[in-house]
Amino acid sequence: QLQLQESGPGLVKPSETLSLTCTVSGGSLSSTIYYWGWIRQPPGKGLEWIGSIYYSGSTYYNPSLKSRLTISVDTSKNQFSLKLTSVTAADTAVYYCARGLYSSSWYPPDYWGQGTLVTVFS
Amino acid sequence: QSALTQPRSVSGSPGQSVTISCTGTSSDVGAYNYVSWYQQHPGKAPKLMIYDVSQRPSGVPDRFSGSKSGNTASLTISGLQAEDEADYYCCSYAGTFHVVFGGGTNLTVL
Repeated sequence: QLQLQESGPGLVKPSETLSLTCTVSGGSLSSTIYYWGWIRQPPGKGLEWIGSIYYSGSTYYNPSLKSRLTISVDTSKNQFSLKLTSVTAADTAVYYCARGLYSSSWYPPDYWGQGTLVTVFS
Repeated sequence: QSALTQPRSVSGSPGQSVTISCTGTSSDVGAYNYVSWYQQHPGKAPKLMIYDVSQRPSGVPDRFSGSKSGNTASLTISGLQAEDEADYYCCSYAGTFHVVFGGGTNLTVL
């Protein structure tokens, strides 16, 4: 059974970099038919797509975050990561990692991590 | 990319049917049959309920159904049950691997 687990600091200071890791178990990041994504949800608000990375290494970012965002994969550790620079209070949210299928067609994420709350606070 | 538009809340009594709308544009909902719906209970991760407009993943009850007309997609839940009370989010592919969510709809089972 595939499982995803987010990890990283729960508190980040304004203007610093938010770094999160998603550890995948029960499946391989090297698979060519899946993509791996990040989604966030500010407290009491809706979901926001952050970005995704495909087996080829190609990344696709939400245009509103693109200038501050990096998503990468470490296949040796079966992990993928998110780095968001110059954070502000508006980046406070529960961050989810997730897996979706991409095989001739695009499919929405069907496996999600439990989410981790990151608070930007000085 | 703007969020898809959903009603803030809907309600229904047990056994009734409710429909949640999701309005996008000709660049997302209207352009692709890649509309999906998620159910989210408080403190939990979203759960995929519908994909490709009207397809149900294994294990999702057939009380949940989806449709689309033009730039608007809909989720219908028939035979409402208490456990259906949750937030529901629509999601659409928007081209070039970009994805947009709706603002969410809170369903109350009266």
